[in-house]
Amino acid sequence: GAVVSQHPSRVICKSGTSVKIECRSLDFQATTMFWYRQFPKKSLMLMATSNEGSKATYEQGVEKDKFLINHASLTLSTLTVTSAHPEDSSFYICSAIINLVDTQYFGPGTRLTVL
Amino acid sequence: QQQVKQSPQSLIVQKGGISIINCAYENTAFDYFPWYQQFPGKGPALLIAIRPDVSEKKEGRFTISFNKSAKQFSLHIMDSQPGDSATYFCAARAGTGANNLFFGTGTRLTVIP
Repeated sequence: GAVVSQHPSRVICKSGTSVKIECRSLDFQATTMFWYRQFPKKSLMLMATSNEGSKATYEQGVEKDKFLINHASLTLSTLTVTSAHPEDSSFYICSAIINLVDTQYFGPGTRLTVL
Repeated sequence: QQQVKQSPQSLIVQKGGISIINCAYENTAFDYFPWYQQFPGKGPALLIAIRPDVSEKKEGRFTISFNKSAKQFSLHIMDSQPGDSATYFCAARAGTGANNLFFGTGTRLTVIP
């Protein structure tokens, strides 16, 4: 149980376009989802915390207008990278928690490459 | 500021040997210490976790040792196998709700046959 999926697994886009990444909890309801960014051979950097039905809380230094997060249901959160640029190329990972249970369950990640 | 410090950055171990990865923290409010295993191109997977009320937790070949007074914890992988080759992250969390999970910088483990 506690499976988190992400779609797409890889995406290549041109500079200036927007890209949407989906994060789904497949077998549980997640009131809270997290979005991370990971550079090659580096640790995970928390970008934002997303609660169902409310605005996401962004970490310091993360542009909320650049990285739009929507948590429309208890099983789906989306991250939209708007007007993507090459410096946005990275590995984006989401995680989710089961209400009243502590552990974060991570998705498989999405590799974004902006040309 | 790195809330959780992890070492070594990389580790090479012979098959059958013991892999040891260390982490240290300063924030005494941390109450949950998970270890994650990540293979290239994949998301992190929870390996094992410990709370500060116990000094050791063992699950199969994986053991966490926890020293509350020293604010250190470590992962021991017994009988290391080539399939264990991955990047390992320690983490720490303060309070309930799994918010604010602070990750270490990662250790790249290579187990050679």
